Amino acid sequence: QKEVEQNSGPLSVPEGAIASLNCTYSDRGSQSFFWYRQYSGKSPELIMSIYSNGDKEDGRFTAQLNKASQYVSLLIRDSQPSDSATYLCAVIAAGYSTLTFGKGTMLLVSP
Amino acid sequence: GAVVSQHPSRVICKSGTSVKIECRSLDFQATTMFWYRQFPKKSLMLMATSNEGSKATYEQGVEKDKFLINHASLTLSTLTVTSAHPEDSSFYICSARPSGGQEAFFGQGTRLTVV
Repeated sequence: QKEVEQNSGPLSVPEGAIASLNCTYSDRGSQSFFWYRQYSGKSPELIMSIYSNGDKEDGRFTAQLNKASQYVSLLIRDSQPSDSATYLCAVIAAGYSTLTFGKGTMLLVSP
Repeated sequence: GAVVSQHPSRVICKSGTSVKIECRSLDFQATTMFWYRQFPKKSLMLMATSNEGSKATYEQGVEKDKFLINHASLTLSTLTVTSAHPEDSSFYICSARPSGGQEAFFGQGTRLTVV
């Protein structure tokens, strides 16, 4: 059974703070991990992909992967109100070509 | 990033009619495209995987005769909702993966309302 778990939130942070979003997955053989952002009424937008253990940084975003703990996270530095959205964690399990999505975490950044 | 265009963005149709939704990868070739539906405040639900030149693979519980998928070229997949009913009203979203790649990019989505 492929499962991706996320806290539904909402996660509330003040503007300028660091937002930390977490995700765990069940299939130990998973190799590809993604974070998508989805604004209300819109389709998901890919913001980060990560394939190996450690950190990957892109602007204000840092993805962290720990395969031993089956855990992937997304840090958003200097959070802005425009970052308020639902963040979806997605995983490609071993032997599959499809994405398995978590239910998403709603992030609210207050001015 | 890669661009996926989905059309139409919004459609209203009468119950019993069919609606076709197009999904195009604009700047890359996609051997595989995916179709999702999403109800309000719910998570994405994968409906089917569309493979260029072959039959689509449908997820359990998705009626293949109702949701017709055609992936005739490396840049175009279509989803036709046949004999639509009000319960088919939803947000339909396609995504495409560049050939040989792992990342998948989403179209803008189509909001279907059946009246």
